[in-house]
Amino acid sequence: EGVMTQSPATLSVSPGERATLSCRATQNVGSNLAWYQQKPGQAPRLLIYGASTRATGIPARFSGSGSGTEFTLTISGLQSEDFAVYYCQQYNNWLTLTFGGGTKVEIK
Amino acid sequence: QVQLQESGPGLVKPSETLSLTCAVSAYSISSDYYWGWIRQPPGKGLEWVGSAHHSGNTYFNPSLKSRVTISMDTSQNQFALNLISVTAADTAVYYCARLSVPAGAFLDYWGQGTLVTVSS
Repeated sequence: EGVMTQSPATLSVSPGERATLSCRATQNVGSNLAWYQQKPGQAPRLLIYGASTRATGIPARFSGSGSGTEFTLTISGLQSEDFAVYYCQQYNNWLTLTFGGGTKVEIK
Repeated sequence: QVQLQESGPGLVKPSETLSLTCAVSAYSISSDYYWGWIRQPPGKGLEWVGSAHHSGNTYFNPSLKSRVTISMDTSQNQFALNLISVTAADTAVYYCARLSVPAGAFLDYWGQGTLVTVSS
């Protein structure tokens, strides 16, 4: 089972700026990578699947890229509702799902 | 819109069994999708617990495999989690979710989560 490592653990960004989050896998997961957003007291929400496909209703300012072992989630023009914790999840081996440790995006 | 709702005791004693149910509405669990459980200890990240299909196929986190079962009740359109021999380390918010298989085992619909505390 692979390990997913997210960096940085915390990212301080000003509203309107761009946030770039990283997710690294210890094994090749192809494009089988999803990103989730979680706000305090809420369940995670699917943002991206297939490394780069936005889920239904997700704004275009969220974009995902990468394949293999290196992935990036970019949030362009951060809005107040985007400050949250973001998790990546691999499903290449969908019999065993693994999440990254999360990146908290906070207001600078 | 698919909706999932967890239910079960909020407090379980050490060494006992944690039992939760996830009721699904607006979608049949007898479909080709898988259904799963994910947990989150207070202040920590997400951990996949296990996934199941109405055919009887189940897959579990290797670290929990010896203690966990997931069962499907298609007549009630719900599925259940049982975790035996719990300790304080099993204290967490437990979420049920749908896995968007065969498109991929990402989790497209989630319940709101239920906090289970293991304490005497």
